[in-house]
Amino acid sequence: AQTVTQSQPEMSVQEAETVTLSCTYDTSENNYYLFWYKQPPSRQMILVIRQEAYKQQNATENRFSVNFQKAAKSFSLKISDSQLGDTAMYFCAFMIATSYDKVIFGPGTSLSVIP
Amino acid sequence: DAGVTQSPTHLIKTRGQHVTLRCSPISGHKSVSWYQQVLGQGPQFIFQYYEKEERGRGNFPDRFSARQFPNYSSELNVNALLLGDSALYLCASSLEGLAGPYFGPGTRLLVL
Repeated sequence: AQTVTQSQPEMSVQEAETVTLSCTYDTSENNYYLFWYKQPPSRQMILVIRQEAYKQQNATENRFSVNFQKAAKSFSLKISDSQLGDTAMYFCAFMIATSYDKVIFGPGTSLSVIP
Repeated sequence: DAGVTQSPTHLIKTRGQHVTLRCSPISGHKSVSWYQQVLGQGPQFIFQYYEKEERGRGNFPDRFSARQFPNYSSELNVNALLLGDSALYLCASSLEGLAGPYFGPGTRLLVL
């Protein structure tokens, strides 16, 4: 069975600073995808960034980047130049490539950006 | 472009009743999936449909069912509602060949 673990239930960061959210996962599959989703208090789940397991290069989307360590099964999210709008729940998620959108989510990390 | 839309936004039902939730995917997306998110937890996968066929099912009882229509919109049905069915129900759609579903705003269901 696949599982996703986020060991930080809550985090906070000063505006304009950098913060890293941790995620580990467990799978015996070799072909899969990893995601970070953001869910603000308004509850709309937003895809922040995706990483294909077969790619060694870490994905980057503007201020968001990941550190993907396949052997360690680790997938952390770094948010640079934090903004007040980054305040949200962040979910790490995993999907086997052939699983037809069956995404497995972690329990989430609540991030607060402090002015 | 419009994102994934869901209706209604909120719903209150009593135990034993039936509920139907609706979802329209992003234009061009043929895959629709449904998730249940209990307060304080991550979403749990319920169903995935592609071209009107069920392709994936999560660990949910048979009281949960869904279907997809020719225009790729979808309905989620829950029969014999229980208090534990109270949750945010999320619909997501995806484009074939691009992993990572895009989620709608959800329907908040409260069962009394």
